[in-house]
Order: sequence, then C-alpha cells, then structure tokens
Amino acid sequence: NAGVTQTPKFRILKIGQSMTLQCAQDMNHNYMYWYRQDPGMGLKLIYYSVGAGITDKGEVPNGYNVSRSTTEDFPLRLELAAPSQTSVYFCASSQLDQPQHFGDGTRLSIL
Amino acid sequence: DQQVKQNSPSLSVQEGRISILNCDYTNSMFDYFLWYKKYPAEGPTFLISISSIKDKNEDGRFTVFLNKSAKHLSLHIVPSQPGDSAVYFCAATEGAQKLVFGQGTRLTINP
Repeated sequence: NAGVTQTPKFRILKIGQSMTLQCAQDMNHNYMYWYRQDPGMGLKLIYYSVGAGITDKGEVPNGYNVSRSTTEDFPLRLELAAPSQTSVYFCASSQLDQPQHFGDGTRLSIL
Repeated sequence: DQQVKQNSPSLSVQEGRISILNCDYTNSMFDYFLWYKKYPAEGPTFLISISSIKDKNEDGRFTVFLNKSAKHLSLHIVPSQPGDSAVYFCAATEGAQKLVFGQGTRLTINP
C-alpha cells in the first residue's frame, strides 16, 4: 500500500541547474498538490491539479512548473534553481472533500 | 499575511495529562478545518477535522473545538501518550481543496 511516493528523498543542486521532483499516487485520486515547507514555517501551496490535464497556481508558484498527463503522476519542475528554493517539498493527493494524503517529502538544497 | 496562526511554537505536557493545541485564523470564509500530525522525516498525516457548521468533533482521544465568533480552534488530546510527541499543524480551507497551514506546534510528551 504505497500511497503517495516522492523521489528523490534528498538532492543538492547548484544555482541555475534544473530538476524534476517526481510524485506518484496509487489511490486513483483526482486531486494532487505540491507544497513547500521552509524551516519553522507551515506548508505553502505551490501548484495543484484537479485532474489529468488541469493544473492551477497556488500561493507560491514563481520559479516552478507542473504538468499532469496521467491521474497517477504530478511532477514539479524547477527550471533555474535559486537559493530561495531550498526547502522541503511535499506532494499530496485526495479525492474531493476528503483529507489530503502526503508523501514523505523531498529535501532540496541549492548551493 | 498569515491567515492561519499557531502562536505556540512548542508545548510540553506530562504523560497522561491533557494536551491543548491552539490555532487562530483571520479569514471568515474558511469553512473546513483540519489538524495534521507530523513526525520527523515523514509527511503530515491527517488527524481530525471539523466543518464550520459544527463546534466540536471527537475521535477517540482527540477532540477539536471550533469557536467561529473568535476565529479560534483547538485540539485536545486526552490522555496524552509518548507517541503523541510530534509537530501538529492546523489547516483551513475555503470550500475547496487548497489548504492554508499554520506554522506548527511541537508537542513533547514527557514520561
């Protein structure tokens, strides 16, 4: 029973590099989300999706891109990594009006 | 503008006693509130929720109280157990799936 799987768990990037954070869920949930959590802060919504082919911005979308080609996968893309993007990234999924299920996060450092 | 606030960064409680975690919000349009629990190196896990049409919801040792006039909610844990030691996040949403999180409160249960 995998739930929400995020890869990688840890990554160090250099400024200006790009990478994709992977997120997959096996619960057939329509809704998927990306959050970031900075030290001592709550989670902030980056992007979300209500179904395959449909995405929308959250509170802090700048510097990120997403796509949703399948129900299961919701990758997050960083095009030009900046130190301000050093954070822990969480992916979540849910059905409508149900609590969100979270993955265990990707810890990203940009140096 | 912090719409959801948890003003106590940490709380220490003796095992067997009651733990009370507090949360305040500013957006009167929020209509659904949740508490999540988070262990180190793991994603948040859903604990309990409450709709704005209720003022109390109970699930085993956990009870959430909502005071809409004061824009305040609280989580009561009775009796507190060592396994309850974690960071607790309050979250709110406005009729949709986009959660707004508080900063979290670190609860430590002492034997």
